[in-house]
Amino acid sequence: EAGVTQSPTHLIKTRGQQATLRCSPISGHTSVYWYQQALGLGLQFLLWYDEGEERNRGNFPPRFSGRQFPNYSSELNVNALELEDSALYLCASRARSLETQYFGPGTRLLVL
Amino acid sequence: ILNVEQSPQSLHVQEGDSTNFTCSFPSSNFYALHWYRWETAKSPEALFVMTLNGDEKKKGRISATLNTKEGYSYLYIKGSQPEDSATYLCAFSNDYKLSFGAGTTVTVRA
Repeated sequence: EAGVTQSPTHLIKTRGQQATLRCSPISGHTSVYWYQQALGLGLQFLLWYDEGEERNRGNFPPRFSGRQFPNYSSELNVNALELEDSALYLCASRARSLETQYFGPGTRLLVL
Repeated sequence: ILNVEQSPQSLHVQEGDSTNFTCSFPSSNFYALHWYRWETAKSPEALFVMTLNGDEKKKGRISATLNTKEGYSYLYIKGSQPEDSATYLCAFSNDYKLSFGAGTTVTVRA
């Protein structure tokens, strides 16, 4: 069974640009989560999508947004990039009514 | 913001020795406690999810216990091997989102 996949693996942008990160969940999983690990910090919850709807978001500004598609894949968009957005972004998926979240390998975003 | 703390931040253990480390979390509104193993350049790997006070889970040489009344969980590694070298993360589950600790980085010396 294929795990969670993310693309791209690395992304380099400049301040003010927009970044789009993509995530494909495990087949059959309906929930997708996004987490950020900035340098020197732990994993921080960003967004949760389930059945195409945003269910919860962490303490991040509105320029962090995303969506979930009918096939349950997801995009994370970061607008007006700032230097401190440089981080590893992890996606995780979860099956309905189960607790465990399964993580992808991440996208490393560098903002110059 | 939920305060999940892990200690120690890092530890070194000789191959063959056993070790353990701690995760503390808010004891109110408990839902579930997760443990993950995260090796460099890989995805975090789910080890355990525990929901009941007194839960004990085991996977090979790794086991975990849970005390929800006092808000802590221990992870044990028995007979450490070099492949156990990783960062071990615990996460408190609340409303299906995870609040992570900073992790304990384990280095097993051959």
